[in-house]
Amino acid sequence: DIQMTQSPSSLSASVGDRVTLTCRASQNIDGYLNWYQQKSGKAPKLLISSASTLYSGVPSRFRGGVSGTDFTLTITSLQPEDSATYYCQQSDTSRTWTFGQGTTVEIK
Amino acid sequence: EVQLVETGGGLVQPGGSLRLSCEASGFTLSPFWVHWVRQVPGKGLMWVSHINAAGGFETTYAASVKGRFSISRNDVENTVYLQMNSLRVDDTAVYYCVRGGSGYAFDMWGQGTWVTVSS
Repeated sequence: DIQMTQSPSSLSASVGDRVTLTCRASQNIDGYLNWYQQKSGKAPKLLISSASTLYSGVPSRFRGGVSGTDFTLTITSLQPEDSATYYCQQSDTSRTWTFGQGTTVEIK
Repeated sequence: EVQLVETGGGLVQPGGSLRLSCEASGFTLSPFWVHWVRQVPGKGLMWVSHINAAGGFETTYAASVKGRFSISRNDVENTVYLQMNSLRVDDTAVYYCVRGGSGYAFDMWGQGTWVTVSS
């Protein structure tokens, strides 16, 4: 099974900061990497699909990318409403889907 | 309103069964893959099962539920089901119904339904 590892597990940053979350897959997933945001008590929401495609309605400050074997989610200017847990997910063609353990973003 | 609505959760004893329903509102579910994802409160997300479109002839399951859970769909009723048998305490979680979108991403989530397995 494909394992997804996110880092860090949590971070604290100030409004306006640029923050980067990282996700690594245990094997090649051909760019089938998605990012979700989950606020407390709510269902997750899709932010980014296929590593870098911004989902409809998602603010442009969210950016997905690839750096070597690592996938990244960057929030270019952190806003108060971005306080949440962020999950990466692989969705390759194996017909099984795996989430990372999540990164919790806190606003200072 | 375009949404997925899950029903059927509740309290069940270990070894018991439950059937969850996921009804699409405001759109036709038939062209979409559908998944179930669960989450223990305070923990991460775990994919449970998927069913493809076009009659739902392809289904897959996470290893921990294979042989106990069964996913199906009724496109006339615009509904997907998750039949859960031989339930265990560690199946306790919020269960989300999720629509599959492009790139195999999960682009619409229901509000979730609670399943508690306890004696």
